[in-house]
Amino acid sequence: SQQGEEDPQALSIQEGENATMNCSYKTSINNLQWYRQNSGRGLVHLILIRSNEREKHSGRLRVTLDTSKKSSSLLITASRAADTASYFCATQETSGSRLTFGEGTQLTVNP
Amino acid sequence: DADVTQTPRNRITKTGKRIMLECSQTKGHDRMYWYRQDPGLGLRLIYYSFDVKDINKGEISDGYSVSRQAQAKFSLSLESAIPNQTALYFCATSDPGTADYEQYFGPGTRLTVT
Repeated sequence: SQQGEEDPQALSIQEGENATMNCSYKTSINNLQWYRQNSGRGLVHLILIRSNEREKHSGRLRVTLDTSKKSSSLLITASRAADTASYFCATQETSGSRLTFGEGTQLTVNP
Repeated sequence: DADVTQTPRNRITKTGKRIMLECSQTKGHDRMYWYRQDPGLGLRLIYYSFDVKDINKGEISDGYSVSRQAQAKFSLSLESAIPNQTALYFCATSDPGTADYEQYFGPGTRLTVT
């Protein structure tokens, strides 16, 4: 079964707008990771946030984690057409254990 | 050159045939994984290997087998392919020696079973 559930399933915005995707999970975790997948391609790691962190930034990406609500959000600021892709959250329950992926959010950024 | 490669990239096969998907990596990672991706279901773990002598079932291992021939090579076999194994298959690697357990993915193999 899937650990993570992502919301929304699909998101369409205009270039320059911000995009926010949410991920909820069921069990306690060591860390949560976000990946990006361009159509039909392999996943690429974007950012990792540990269970003792609340917020993390990387370039135009901002990730938050609320362990009390078992949820995370990924914010992409000033989106570009090239950000069009599917975004997946993945949780790791203990350090070094396998990842469990959510079902993904399909983001479309219109030029 | 890509760090994680998969062959073949596309394959069409018939029901009942045995098929092998291969994965090679040049990252020097001990850990390797096989996932399948179906539309709307995200990635599901089939098998994983933490080193050459270690093989573990994932959440959907029925109908699949694997072989870890070397640190760099991890193969996935479908002993008798069936149509509901039509999917996109990904190999991934990770390095337990790093603080971050990110995984590195291959480009995928699109398998169609008719």
